[in-house]
Amino acid sequence: RKEVEQDPGPFNVPEGATVAFNCTYSNSASQSFFWYRQDCRKEPKLLMSVYSSGNEDGRFTAQLNRASQYISLLIRDSKLSDSATYLCVVARYGQNFVFGPGTRLSVLP
Amino acid sequence: GAGVSQSPSNKVTEKGKDVELRCDPISGHTALYWYRQRLGQGLEFLIYFQGNSAPDKSGLPSDRFSAERTGESVSTLTIQRTQQEDSAVYLCASSSQGTAYEQYFGPGTRLTVT
Repeated sequence: RKEVEQDPGPFNVPEGATVAFNCTYSNSASQSFFWYRQDCRKEPKLLMSVYSSGNEDGRFTAQLNRASQYISLLIRDSKLSDSATYLCVVARYGQNFVFGPGTRLSVLP
Repeated sequence: GAGVSQSPSNKVTEKGKDVELRCDPISGHTALYWYRQRLGQGLEFLIYFQGNSAPDKSGLPSDRFSAERTGESVSTLTIQRTQQEDSAVYLCASSSQGTAYEQYFGPGTRLTVT
C-alpha cells in the first residue's frame, strides 16, 4: 500500500462547480499535512496547510480526520485557473515528506 | 523576497558524464530537500538537510548520487556517470520550523541524458 493515496482522477468539471479531492495516508505518526498544486511543467506551489480543526482560504477548504487518516480539499466556484494537479503531502517532524501521486483537475468553460 | 533558485534550468549531458545541480534556498531556511520528478510521475524524495547535515539520505537511488550543503545555504546535488534513467526534473525545496515546515520549491533543473 502506498503511504499517501489520492483519487486517481482526472476530474473534468465545468466552471462554477464544486469539486472535492480525497487523500488517505498510512502512517499514523504523520504530523503535518499540506495541499500543493502543480501546473504542467512547473514546480509544486503550496496551496494550504491543513490543520486539525479544518481551515478555509477563500474558495478552498481543507479538512483533516486523524482517526480515519484522511484529508480532503474542497474547491467551491471553480475557475479555469484552478486547472492543475493537486498534491496531498504528509510529513513527520519537518522531514519525511511524502507526496501523493496527485489528482489532475481540468475546469472547463 | 527572493524565492528558491536553481541552476542550471536545463542540462543536457551525455551518458557517463558527471553533472552538478545547484540550489539556493530562501535565506534563513534551515531545511533543504531534493526531489526527482520523472515525466508524468509524482515527486520522489532524494535527500533532506537540516543545516549542513543530512539526517535522511534514504531516497538517494544509488551511490552515483551525492549531495552536500555548505554554510547552511547553497546545496549541490551531484550525479556521477549519468544514465538515461537519470533524466528527470530535479526539484529543490526549503523550509523553516518557523513556518511549520511549509516547503517552497525552486523552478527545478530539467536534466536530459542522451
